[in-house]
Amino acid sequence: DAGVIQSPRHEVTEMGQEVTLRCKPISGHDYLFWYRQTMMRGLELLIYFNNNVPIDDSGMPEDRFSAKMPNASFSTLKIQPSEPRDSAVYFCASSFSGNQETQYFGPGTRLLVL
Amino acid sequence: EDKVVQSPLSLVVHEGDTVTLNCSYEVTNFRSLLWYKQEKKAPTFLFMLTSSGIEKKSGRLSSILDKKELFSILNITATQTGDSAVYLCAVESNSGYALNFGKGTSLLVTP
Repeated sequence: DAGVIQSPRHEVTEMGQEVTLRCKPISGHDYLFWYRQTMMRGLELLIYFNNNVPIDDSGMPEDRFSAKMPNASFSTLKIQPSEPRDSAVYFCASSFSGNQETQYFGPGTRLLVL
Repeated sequence: EDKVVQSPLSLVVHEGDTVTLNCSYEVTNFRSLLWYKQEKKAPTFLFMLTSSGIEKKSGRLSSILDKKELFSILNITATQTGDSAVYLCAVESNSGYALNFGKGTSLLVTP
């Protein structure tokens, strides 16, 4: 298996633009997690899905952020409109049956909002 | 509010030294504590601890959990330059599968 796949790996955009981050979880994994990592706040969980259904989105910072999982092999995290403070590394991770020992992280998307 | 605090925030040691990294937590309905290693990319899983007093070991790395005092330590013996990384501690509660991460300890092992 190729592991968790994220795209793009790097994104530079201007304030106010829409940003869409993509994730393909490991095949067979039924949990998908979106995290954000910054120097100031560390690694924070934004939202997670079980069987394509959002379970906990309490970490989503505000209405500018939205996440979808239309099927078991694809998820998106959208920021609209983007702001400079959204600059961070965004990780997607997936696991099987919520087993944290099987939670694997993708390589991350490094986002810079100018 | 759940809290995970790691110390020290950063550490510089010489190759061959032994280091101890600390993680203390406050979480409602604790389920497990996990350690990750993060080099210049995604975190990779090291250990998951659920029971007090049982040491988990993998090569030169070991970890133990104290559920009474609400902390865990990660030990690395005979450190190597390849151990240089950020080590993250995370706690999981029974209320879901979300992980609450600490800010990490940045370890630099010099030759």
